[in-house]
Amino acid sequence: QKEVEQDPGPLSVPEGAIVSLNCTYSNSAFQYFMWYRQYSRKGPELLMYTYSSGNKEDGRFTAQVDKSSKYISLFIRDSQPSDSATYLCAYKDTGRRALTFGSGTRLQVQP
Amino acid sequence: EPEVTQTPSHQVTQMGQEVILRCVPISNHLYFYWYRQILGQKVEFLVSFYNNEISEKSEIFDDQFSVERPDGSNFTLKIRSTKLEDSAMYFCASSVVAGDNEQFFGPGTRLTVL
Repeated sequence: QKEVEQDPGPLSVPEGAIVSLNCTYSNSAFQYFMWYRQYSRKGPELLMYTYSSGNKEDGRFTAQVDKSSKYISLFIRDSQPSDSATYLCAYKDTGRRALTFGSGTRLQVQP
Repeated sequence: EPEVTQTPSHQVTQMGQEVILRCVPISNHLYFYWYRQILGQKVEFLVSFYNNEISEKSEIFDDQFSVERPDGSNFTLKIRSTKLEDSAMYFCASSVVAGDNEQFFGPGTRLTVL
């Protein structure tokens, strides 16, 4: 079973829409979850990280962790064409350095 | 805003040759990492480095790979004898402290092995 799974997309939405991006994970011991944005042929850019369960908000972005269902989500409000990128979820185990990434969801925001 | 930088942006080499990829982490960061991303695949962890030692490495990071911090600013990844399957984007990252969940990535070096 894959540790972190994402729908590869592409997910196409009109400008201004609310976007929901999701990951499922397999190990209930996972504690730290991150969302990165990656533009084509660029490095991953950290958007947010969350610890355990709950919500975290930063501007137009909200990250949510539901440990009971092993589900992590990123919501983007008022989406812009500049949000068009691949969104990677990742986790890090306590005491480890390595991030483990999902395969990413490609988002296209149409003007 | 401080950022991780990497050179070169693109490196082409012949199979069997040695390559050195260079990174300048964010200046007050103490933990350094290398990841790679084969085209169309996931970003994969290679190695983490702290206090002039490898603190963690993956199965990918075998004897043909090595890392070094040759001076106070640079962090390098050496591949001794490149193989075709080493062709990938290589990303350097850095973080401030141990257990820090905020790893900041550089723009990457695209390595092409012919």
